[in-house]
Amino acid sequence: DADVTQTPRNRITKTGKRIMLECSQTKGHDRMYWYRQDPGLGLRLIYYSFDVKDINKGEISDGYSVSRQAQAKFSLSLESAIPNQTALYFCATSDPGTGGSYGYTFGSGTRLTVV
Amino acid sequence: DAKTTQPTSMDCAEGRAANLPCNHSTISGNEYVYWYRQIHSQGPQYIIHGLKNNETNEMASLIITEDRKSSTLILPHATLRDTAVYYCIVRVAFSNDYKLSFGAGTTVTVRA
Repeated sequence: DADVTQTPRNRITKTGKRIMLECSQTKGHDRMYWYRQDPGLGLRLIYYSFDVKDINKGEISDGYSVSRQAQAKFSLSLESAIPNQTALYFCATSDPGTGGSYGYTFGSGTRLTVV
Repeated sequence: DAKTTQPTSMDCAEGRAANLPCNHSTISGNEYVYWYRQIHSQGPQYIIHGLKNNETNEMASLIITEDRKSSTLILPHATLRDTAVYYCIVRVAFSNDYKLSFGAGTTVTVRA
């Protein structure tokens, strides 16, 4: 099984619908992140969470909400989807390592299309 | 944020070394340089990171200049499976965490 699993892999939804993207991890990491990627661009941070009680907005949180149900689960919701939220969404985890350095482990992504 | 500058694209012959440059002239003394790659819209994959010293692992080597204003990722023997977008990132403090800001990266095409 993958360390970071995202569901669904692909989703087409209509404008105005509520949709939830789910992420689960087996890394045992406390920190989890949601990013979005638009074609030809880098990744932008939507929300991040240090633990189940600590959730923070990222660079582009408007129109999104999150829920950290457990250490291993972090869900992203679009309350009322709009077409410009069409993108590739990635979940990631991290764990502060020794010496202040650590990397992220990413899921395989969810391709969301809002029509 | 410490900004990185990378070439938009580069080609490499299979079996040869691929040298990917990155400029990060505004990097601060305690900021790490990270390299990730993304193969065909999959999740980015960690390659290597460093602070001051050169680093090597099973995937690649990272050479950081003494003034830390630039670095080079070296894939010693490129294969077709190394075709990907490579991101050079400076990890910066953000709120009460760190942030990896992914730019557009370098699209590397390994040719047979």
